[in-house]
Amino acid sequence: AQSVTQLDSHVSVSEGTPVLLRCNYSSSYSPSLFWYVQHPNKGLQLLLKYTSAATLVKGINGFEAEFKKSETSFHLTKPSAHMSDAAEYFCVVILDNYGQNFVFGPGTRLSVLP
Amino acid sequence: GAVVSQHPSWVICKSGTSVKIECRSLDFQATTMFWYRQFPKQSLMLMATSNEGSKATYEQGVEKDKFLINHASLTLSTLTVTSAHPEDSSFYICSAHPTSGSYNEQFFGPGTRLTVL
Repeated sequence: AQSVTQLDSHVSVSEGTPVLLRCNYSSSYSPSLFWYVQHPNKGLQLLLKYTSAATLVKGINGFEAEFKKSETSFHLTKPSAHMSDAAEYFCVVILDNYGQNFVFGPGTRLSVLP
Repeated sequence: GAVVSQHPSWVICKSGTSVKIECRSLDFQATTMFWYRQFPKQSLMLMATSNEGSKATYEQGVEKDKFLINHASLTLSTLTVTSAHPEDSSFYICSAHPTSGSYNEQFFGPGTRLTVL
């Protein structure tokens, strides 16, 4: 069965320090993987996506993620956290080639301390 | 482009009443739309897949008679929560998959906060 795991339910960093949000997936084939961000009481915003092209994917707001097939991982990183990055982050695995079968990870809440 | 709207953004209703939530794709057509529910501090859970001109497909455990879905056009899907109860209070998010183009993703609406008193 395909699934996605986010190892940390909550990550806290200081402003200006690096961010690492971990995501591991389980899939019987090479999946498409997305990262979304959700600010409080808001909808989802796409940060970046991997669809079997370059393994290092750059997204919006300085975020990037690297697809590592050998580790079945798609960790999200940012060199320097900003206060506005505080939000909930979801890793999503796509189970088909048409983008119609999404499986959401449990989410990681990122706190950014001044 | 690829904007999805939801209306209302929040709604408060009394127990036993029905509430309709609209999901619109503003600048593209979507044969398929999706309805998700998100409880506080939890992830999104797919409730149903809405297909234009046909019946919706519900996920296991979701009551189709309670959560009525209508996808009457290529830009509009509605979710009606019938006889709402406090346990139906949640954040409901829709998404839309473009009919044309090479998109392999869904575009999400801003969500609707439902509170049932």
